[in-house]
Amino acid sequence: AQKITQTQPGMFVQEKEAVTLDCTYDTSDQSYGLFWYKQPSSGEMIFLIYQGSYDEQNATEGRYSLNFQKARKSANLVISASQLGDSAMYFCAMSLLLTGGGNKLTFGTGTQLKVEL
Amino acid sequence: DAGITQSPRYKITETGRQVTLMCHQTWSHSYMFWYRQDLGHGLRLIYYSAAADITDKGEVPDGYVVSRSKTENFPLTLESATRSQTSVYFCASWTGGKPNTGELFFGEGSRLTVL
Repeated sequence: AQKITQTQPGMFVQEKEAVTLDCTYDTSDQSYGLFWYKQPSSGEMIFLIYQGSYDEQNATEGRYSLNFQKARKSANLVISASQLGDSAMYFCAMSLLLTGGGNKLTFGTGTQLKVEL
Repeated sequence: DAGITQSPRYKITETGRQVTLMCHQTWSHSYMFWYRQDLGHGLRLIYYSAAADITDKGEVPDGYVVSRSKTENFPLTLESATRSQTSVYFCASWTGGKPNTGELFFGEGSRLTVL
């Protein structure tokens, strides 16, 4: 069975510093996708970044990068130059291929990030 | 407006009552999902649907019923609400594409309190 583990319930980082949010996963599938979502206090789920299991390069999207280490089954999110607006809950997720070609996501328990002045 | 809309956004009900949470998407995405979010559990999949009239159970389906008579609508019904079903419910749809790619778009969430 698939499992996503986020071991950091809460993290603090100072403004303008970089921060790494940990995510490890477990799957026996060879093909999978790894995703990060942000949930601010307003509650909406915002897609941040995606990494395919066959992608050799780490994904980057602006200040977000995904540190993908396949052998260690980790997919850590790195946020560079943290901003106050980055304070939010962050969820790591993994896709599972469904019969018929669709995907469903399994989520971790989340990491609450607080950016301080 | 394009996207996923959920209604109601907030609902308070009593134990034993039936509650239906509505979800409507404007993209015609084939796959739709219902998740519940609880502290310490992240998001857990309740039910999903691959197309109209095709639904399947997720991790935590007990106490819930879904239907999908039209591609754009995917209502979630709690037939007899219990306090343990107090949660935030998210509807989502999948953009499609190659296997294990694409993106899951979420509605704004429906906060349900069962007294």
